[in-house]
Amino acid sequence: GAGVSQSPSNKVTEKGKDVELRCDPISGHTALYWYRQRLGQGLEFLIYFQGNSAPDKSGLPSDRFSAERTGESVSTLTIQRTQQEDSAVYLCASSLGAGGWETQYFGPGTRLLVL
Amino acid sequence: AQTVTQSQPEMSVQEAETVTLSCTYDTSESDYYLFWYKQPPSRQMILVIRQEAYKQQNATENRFSVNFQKAAKSFSLKISDSQLGDAAMYFCAYRSARGETSGSRLTFGEGTQLTVNP
Repeated sequence: GAGVSQSPSNKVTEKGKDVELRCDPISGHTALYWYRQRLGQGLEFLIYFQGNSAPDKSGLPSDRFSAERTGESVSTLTIQRTQQEDSAVYLCASSLGAGGWETQYFGPGTRLLVL
Repeated sequence: AQTVTQSQPEMSVQEAETVTLSCTYDTSESDYYLFWYKQPPSRQMILVIRQEAYKQQNATENRFSVNFQKAAKSFSLKISDSQLGDAAMYFCAYRSARGETSGSRLTFGEGTQLTVNP
């Protein structure tokens, strides 16, 4: 499996709990992105990593959202004190570089439901 | 900030026919990239076709082609000889060419749900 993988596939949590979503990018891809997709809507950008630094985290909706990346590998998106409006599919993508022409390859997403 | 608009929430086409999905965008930049992604029920986003803004020639990938009108800021997708497997949500996306800091994100439209009727 050489594609982007994400875990868990589905997550149900109670309001107020913290959740961690994981993304494994394609090996060798230096750029990694997180997007959020609410039901019936397009994707919203959350954060971008180049290596393990985040040059652009302007899409994070609140300080309850944070993300980190270990080297040029796994990334974790953490949502603290989850709210019902956080319910969405969270998609991760990676690309070889961060140039505009580079194709972003997407994972299958994590569907988060906050009760 | 750039915006992308897809004015057709749903479209349908008969198998083997041709369908065109519309997309318009708003930007003050002159150099950028445009993409069409397909999202089947599996949720996996798949790149269908892409276009560089500085290229006048419209991109083509097998049965998929685009009509890129830079002055009108329009980027429509034409699917020829539609197949049942083309049924999916289609998203138009914009990406700045400004650089690796703020230029890397994709800005998506709301999507068009395409149904292919046998």
